[in-house]
Order: sequence, then structure tokens, then C-alpha cells
Amino acid sequence: EVQLVESGGGLIQPGGSLRLSCAASGFTVSTNYMTWVRQAPGKGLEWVSVIFTGGTTYYADSVKGRFTISRDNSKSTLYLQMNSLRAEDTAVYYCARERSASYSPLHFFDYWGQGTLVTVSS
Amino acid sequence: QSALTQPRSVSGSPGQSVTISCTGTSSDVGGYNYVSWYQQHPGKAPKLMIYDVSKRPSGVPDRFSGSRSGNTASLTVSGLQAEDEADYYCCSYAGSYTYVFGTGTKVTVL
Repeated sequence: EVQLVESGGGLIQPGGSLRLSCAASGFTVSTNYMTWVRQAPGKGLEWVSVIFTGGTTYYADSVKGRFTISRDNSKSTLYLQMNSLRAEDTAVYYCARERSASYSPLHFFDYWGQGTLVTVSS
Repeated sequence: QSALTQPRSVSGSPGQSVTISCTGTSSDVGGYNYVSWYQQHPGKAPKLMIYDVSKRPSGVPDRFSGSRSGNTASLTVSGLQAEDEADYYCCSYAGSYTYVFGTGTKVTVL
């Protein structure tokens, strides 16, 4: 059974840093495209970042230069390092698997974790 | 990248059909066959309902269907049931490896 479990959220002051983790089971993180999507309280979904099977990464303009996506294949875990946090980064952060075939992305997200809440406030 | 435009809410009685629109541009919805739809119940994670504009993952009832005309995609829920009451979001690939989600629609079963 595919499962994604996020952790690492919490209350952090503006300008601070936080690292989110997403433990995956039931599939191999290294051979899948993995993404982060966030949802501000009472708001819609916003795509944040993706890491390809080969390690290439992409980011939304709103987080570029501040967030870094990575993974540890040995731990089957995805990470999101968030620096220079702002109030507008307050959201539930979901990790999700982007479905792929023959190592090519299919451009939809088939499994999601339950999310972890990040609150940026002084 | 601006969010795709969805109606804030739609409603219907049990057994009826509702359709949710998702309007973008030729750079996203109209430019790629990569529109997907997600259902989200309160406090829960999103769930994939439709991908590639109109394909349904296994396990999703055939009451859910997707389509597209120009820069507007649509999700139709036929034979509305109580458990269909949720928020629905469209999503489109927008090129240069980015994605844009819709503003979200609350479906209410009367």
C-alpha cells in the first residue's frame, strides 16, 4: 500500500528556517517524481516544487531561491528545506507523488500525504 | 502564473448533475492535455478524480467525468450523492515544468 507521511511542521518566526520530511512506503522514491503542494488556511492549492528521478528540481516563483527540495533514497524520504520564511508561507504542506511511466512524468498527482502545518508568525 | 478560475460554489439535489468549470489560458488548460481534478473533504488530503482531461483512475465512480473546450475544462458529477459534498480543484500543467491549480469549488448536496 502506498503511503506518504509528512512531518516537521510547526510555528516559526518570520525569517526562520524549517525542514519538512515526507516518509514514503509502498513504492520507491528514487524512481518517482515527487512534489510538494501547499494550501494556505481557507485557500486553494498551490504547487511548490518537484524533484525528478534524475535529481533535477523545479520551483514555483514564490519560493524560488528560498526553498530546496531533496530526497534521501536510503530512507525513502523526501524533504523540503524552507529558509527566509514569510507570513505568506503559512500553509499545510502536502507531499505527493507525480505519476510517471518509463521515467517520464504524466503530469498528475496520484498519491498524497495528510499534510503538515507550517505557521510563520512572530 | 495566475490561478485557474472556478466558480466559488455549486449545488444540487441528490441524483442531479452538477458541472464545475475551470477557465485558464492557451498556456495552460488550452495548451496541454494535462488537466486533472482533485476532490478534497474538510481536513483531508486531496484525492485524484480525473487526469488527462477526461480519464478516470481505477476506483473513481463513473459518475465523475471530465471534458474540455478551448481554454475551459469541466468536471461533471452525475447522480449526485451525499459523499460528493467536498471542495474540488482543477490543475493544469503550464509549461516549463510548472503547475497551476484552480481557485476551488465547493459542491453542496442539498
